[in-house]
Amino acid sequence: DQQVKQNSPSLSVQEGRISILNCDYTNSMFDYFLWYKKYPAEGPTFLISISSIKDKNEDGRFTVFLNKSAKHLSLHIVPSQPGDSAVYFCAASAINDYKLSFGAGTTVTVRA
Amino acid sequence: KAGVTQTPRYLIKTRGQQVTLSCSPISGHRSVSWYQQTPGQGLQFLFEYFSETQRNKGNFPGRFSGRQFSNSRSEMNVSTLELGDSALYLCASSFEGFGNEQYFGPGTRLTVT
Repeated sequence: DQQVKQNSPSLSVQEGRISILNCDYTNSMFDYFLWYKKYPAEGPTFLISISSIKDKNEDGRFTVFLNKSAKHLSLHIVPSQPGDSAVYFCAASAINDYKLSFGAGTTVTVRA
Repeated sequence: KAGVTQTPRYLIKTRGQQVTLSCSPISGHRSVSWYQQTPGQGLQFLFEYFSETQRNKGNFPGRFSGRQFSNSRSEMNVSTLELGDSALYLCASSFEGFGNEQYFGPGTRLTVT
């Protein structure tokens, strides 16, 4: 079963505006969450992560928010740039599980 | 530092054949994981190896197997290929496998005809 869900398969945003990507999870044992970005013909690249003991983590233009009670996390990209056009995957892991569970991905298109 | 490398990058096989894919992790990384990516399915976990030991396995049939060598390089094998095995196979390495970001290779695109 899909324990990590990204319900929006695509997102279109104007350059300079905020991109908000959402992710929901069902496994309450997950305690580490990551976002990956993937361009065609390349492997996913790590963007940002957050531990379950935090509710926010920032890295430059990227901020991840975690709402444990709602089992929901989001990735904010501000400002969005054309190079941000890619597929974004949300992933989660549980302690001692040694694997990542991925969502199906959200394709972001940044319009000039 | 060199990234994760995977060989071959592209592969075409016919049903019933078997295939072996190779992954060389980042130097110093001891954990190697394999994932299958198909359209609309995201990345599905296959297995994870650490110091030559399989620590976790995903929900794939026994036709999918893997191993890790003492230098941390890993191979995965798929026997009796089926059309549904056509996918991008990604390898990722990390220092310890948990709580560390995994670094992905470019993948091997397998097409089964």
